[in-house]
Amino acid sequence: DVQMTQSPSSLSASVGDRVTITCQASQDISNYLNWIQHKPGEAPKLLIYDASILEAGVPSRFSGSGSGRRFSFTISSLQPEDIATYYCQQFDKSPPAYTFGQGTKLEI
Amino acid sequence: QVQLVQSGSEVKKPESSIKVSCKASGGTFSSYSINWVRLAPGQGLEWVGGIIPDSGTVNYAQKFQGRVTITADESTTTAFMELSSLRSEDTAIYYCARVRRTRYTSVWSWGPKELYYYNRMNVWGQGTTVTVSS
Repeated sequence: DVQMTQSPSSLSASVGDRVTITCQASQDISNYLNWIQHKPGEAPKLLIYDASILEAGVPSRFSGSGSGRRFSFTISSLQPEDIATYYCQQFDKSPPAYTFGQGTKLEI
Repeated sequence: QVQLVQSGSEVKKPESSIKVSCKASGGTFSSYSINWVRLAPGQGLEWVGGIIPDSGTVNYAQKFQGRVTITADESTTTAFMELSSLRSEDTAIYYCARVRRTRYTSVWSWGPKELYYYNRMNVWGQGTTVTVSS
């Protein structure tokens, strides 16, 4: 099974800061990697899929990059509404299966 | 705009079972998979398993093999997750999520074949809180 190592586990930043989270896979996963935002009391929300593609309706300050084993997620200018826990999510093509990173709790 | 509406919160005794429903309103199951993800207190998101209603294909996380059953009724666009032999560690919020697929071409010895991978978990239910307590 693929293991995902996400870092940092928590992060404190200021409004307007550039924030980066990384995720490393235990083996090559090509670009089969998503980034998901989860705010307390709400349903999780897909932000980035296939490592770098912005989901429809998601602000352009969010971006993702990487392939193979190393991936990163960036918020270019942190906004107050970005307070959440962020997860990387690896997926297998067949059969479909999903593995989440440990999560990064982002605070302002 | 499709919405996933889940059944209400429940309190269950240890060793009992629970069945949570997830109805897609304003959309269909065709061409999507339905998956279940949980969030336990103090833990991160964890994939439980999923089903592709078109084909009936199911896949479960190894951790839940033997205890979980996921089904789907296309006529009512409702998916179900049943978890048995409940223990306190199963206390969590359970989410259903619809996953959109992407088409790709795989080259086989006899020629190309169109396949799909299920990558975009982009519609989520509101969550169902399950509390396991004696």
